[in-house]
Amino acid sequence: KQEVTQIPAALSVPEGENLVLNCSFTDSAIYNLQWFRQDPGKGLTSLLLIQSSQREQTSGRLNASLDKSSGRSTLYIAASQPGDSATYLCAVRGSQGNLIFGKGTKLSVKP
Amino acid sequence: NAGVMQNPRHLVRRRGQEARLRCSPMKGHSHVYWYRQLPEEGLKFMVYLQKENIIDESGMPKERFSAEFPKEGPSILRIQQVVRGDSAAYFCASSPLKSSDNEQFFGPGTRLTVL
Repeated sequence: KQEVTQIPAALSVPEGENLVLNCSFTDSAIYNLQWFRQDPGKGLTSLLLIQSSQREQTSGRLNASLDKSSGRSTLYIAASQPGDSATYLCAVRGSQGNLIFGKGTKLSVKP
Repeated sequence: NAGVMQNPRHLVRRRGQEARLRCSPMKGHSHVYWYRQLPEEGLKFMVYLQKENIIDESGMPKERFSAEFPKEGPSILRIQQVVRGDSAAYFCASSPLKSSDNEQFFGPGTRLTVL
């Protein structure tokens, strides 16, 4: 049974720092991996999608990597801003089509 | 192209009542997924539907919960005889025809409160 773990559960950094969020999964047989952002009381915004054949994806200040063999993904955020404060969710997609989510990392960027 | 629409955004029900949650997928998307987010918990998959078919309902409780995605109209998640433990945010996601590797796009969610 696939399990997704995100570490740390919460992270507080000063504005301007570069940071890394971690995601691990137990079954390497995935179709893709998505990183989402969720603001309090809001829905999910898709940030990056990495297909199983890819190693990384970039969008602006965000870079996500995928290492299927070790069951790991990282989300790198460069030059963090207070507006980046949110909960970041990692989800893997298996053969059934549904996403399996981690519990998220709650990020706080202090001005 | 409008995103995934969900309504209502907030729903309050008393114990024993029925809750109906609606989801309109993005235009051109024929795959719908429902997820539930309990307080302080991660999102959990409930059910996966295509038009007029339930593909996978392995995450949906066997009793009181049902889902449909008719040929015309939105997908409906129905909860009968609600209990306090059903209080949660319910999210719908959609993806295009070829589902194996496509991105899922999420709606804003329906927040159900059971009094």
